[in-house]
Amino acid sequence: GESVGLHLPTLSVQEGDNSIINCAYSNSASDYFIWYKQESGKGPQFIIDIRSNMDKRQGQRVTVLLNKTVKHLSLQIAATQPGDSAVYFCAYSGAGSYQLTFGKGTKLSVIP
Amino acid sequence: DVKVTQSSRYLVKRTGEKVFLECVQDMDHENMFWYRQDPGLGLRLIYFSYDVKMKEKGDIPEGYSVSREKKERFSLILESASTNQTSMYLCAGSNVGVGTTEAFFGQGTRLTVV
Repeated sequence: GESVGLHLPTLSVQEGDNSIINCAYSNSASDYFIWYKQESGKGPQFIIDIRSNMDKRQGQRVTVLLNKTVKHLSLQIAATQPGDSAVYFCAYSGAGSYQLTFGKGTKLSVIP
Repeated sequence: DVKVTQSSRYLVKRTGEKVFLECVQDMDHENMFWYRQDPGLGLRLIYFSYDVKMKEKGDIPEGYSVSREKKERFSLILESASTNQTSMYLCAGSNVGVGTTEAFFGQGTRLTVV
């Protein structure tokens, strides 16, 4: 079946360092790949997305990389801050599909 | 400010009860979703709706039903609550599939079935 999975369930980084969160996917028909952030006690919040015809997209302090050859997605956070501590989910949306399929999540802990 | 509002943050229900979880959005979005979130399993889609009175099963629909009589309201129904339905339930609204990938989530309802 379709799935979106993560290599690492937890990640601890020093404040100021860069963070890299990885995600593997199995569905080659995915049209969009998306990253969500979930802070404690809140619902997930959209961070950034990338379309399947792109390799890289940058936002504010975040970069998403897509490697379709190995079906791998990553989220890079520059100069990680304590406010970045959260669970990060990758998700995908198929072409013309209403549905978002989520991975299992990675917990990012920032050490002050 | 767009909002998805879930009627309860915490609920405790007894086994066998019929449970209603309510979700309201003020975004005029076509799509609404119900997910459950469990540790180590991420978000799993229960049901979604892409229009009023329309619904589609997600990955884990067993034991649940939904109702969407109005565009802004999407209800999740547990016909006969069981302890394995103890979970965090998240509602979301979006226009995913029509040029956007952003879904807006409510704050979640933590349901405990005893």
